Amino acid sequence: EIVLTQSPGTLSLSPGERATLSCRASQSVSSIYLAWYQQKLGQAPRLLIYGASSRATGIPDRFSGSGSGTDFTLTISRLEPEDFAVYYCQQYVRSPWTFGQGTKVEIK
Amino acid sequence: EVLLVQSGAEVKKPGESLRISCKGSGYSFTSYWISWVRQMPGKGLEWMGRVDPSDSYANYSPSFQGHVTMSADKSISTAYLQWSSLKASDTAMYYCARSVGGPGSYYFDSWGQGTLVTVSS
Repeated sequence: EIVLTQSPGTLSLSPGERATLSCRASQSVSSIYLAWYQQKLGQAPRLLIYGASSRATGIPDRFSGSGSGTDFTLTISRLEPEDFAVYYCQQYVRSPWTFGQGTKVEIK
Repeated sequence: EVLLVQSGAEVKKPGESLRISCKGSGYSFTSYWISWVRQMPGKGLEWMGRVDPSDSYANYSPSFQGHVTMSADKSISTAYLQWSSLKASDTAMYYCARSVGGPGSYYFDSWGQGTLVTVSS
């Protein structure tokens, strides 16, 4: 199975700052089979990005995804108070589909 | 609006059986696979498997094969996740999610609110 490793584990930032989250795969997932999700405390995950760089419906343009092969990045250009949450990447190139362990973005 | 509504929290004893549900609305239920995702307390997300609501065909992650059964009843737009003999290690939040993409490659664009399963003697 493909293992996804996210870094850092925790990111401490202030509102208005830029957040850069990394997801590295143990094997290539191509340039399109990578998704990102946001999960707030006590809530279900929400799809942010699919196909490595396509924003899901209703997702603000401060969220952007990039990367290909084994290295992917989620960038939040300017953090809003509602963006402090845990973020997961997911590969869907090969079953079993797997998630990274998550990056927590917390208020500094 | 796509909605997935899951059944309520459950408290069970080890060895008991359980079936939880996920009812879809706002879209053609038989057109999209439903996946189940486990989140153990304080941990990350794990894909368990998926079920095709049109015929109840399911396939499972190797980590969950033989431990759970997934099914669906298209007449009532509902998918199910069931256990025949629960263990304390099954204590977790379980999410259903609509699987999109394909063929054979799926991500999850809509999620249920989650069902908390607690297994304790």
